[in-house]
Amino acid sequence: QLQLQESGPGLVKPSETLSLTCTVSGGSISSTSYYWGWIRQPPGKGLEWIGNIYYSENTYYNPSLKSRVTISVDTSKNQFSLKLSSVNAADTAVYYCVSKFAGSGRFDPWGQGTLVTVSS
Amino acid sequence: QSALTQPASVSGSPGQSITISCTGTSSDVGGYNYVSWYQQHPGKAPKLMIYDVSIRPSGVSNRFSGSKSGNTASLTISGLQAEDEADFYCSSYTSSSTWVFGGGTKVTVL
Repeated sequence: QLQLQESGPGLVKPSETLSLTCTVSGGSISSTSYYWGWIRQPPGKGLEWIGNIYYSENTYYNPSLKSRVTISVDTSKNQFSLKLSSVNAADTAVYYCVSKFAGSGRFDPWGQGTLVTVSS
Repeated sequence: QSALTQPASVSGSPGQSITISCTGTSSDVGGYNYVSWYQQHPGKAPKLMIYDVSIRPSGVSNRFSGSKSGNTASLTISGLQAEDEADFYCSSYTSSSTWVFGGGTKVTVL
């Protein structure tokens, strides 16, 4: 049973870089069966897809965030990470890490989510 | 990329059936059978209810069903129950190799 858990700072200053890590258990992050990704949800608003990574090197990003986003994999720790640079208040959101089965449209499972607030 | 269009709210009485629509374009919903639906209760992570237009994951009630016609996908909840009250989101793959979500629909059980 695949399980995902986000970790990282809950408060980031404007103009700095938001960094989050997702630890995968119950499966290998090197598996070709899954894409690994991030989705966020600003308080009181809807879901926004941030990006996915496949097989440790193929990345796909939301065009609106592409210039600021990096998703990478650490196979030695069975983790993947999100870096979002030059953050501002609009980046305040609950950030979820997710897995997506290759060849399918389903994002499942999801991590529990972590709230990141951008404020000085 | 533009968000998929969902009604802001849908309501129904217990036992009734309701349908939530999700409208996109031929570059997303209409072009691929990769439409999924997620249920989100307040303060909780979204839960997968339907994927690949009409496939129900193990453990999801058969009261939930999905379909698609042209550029519009639909989620139907039959035999509405109090526990179904939640926000629902659709998502779709796009021709740009990205994913897009709908704005969300609040389901209210009267």
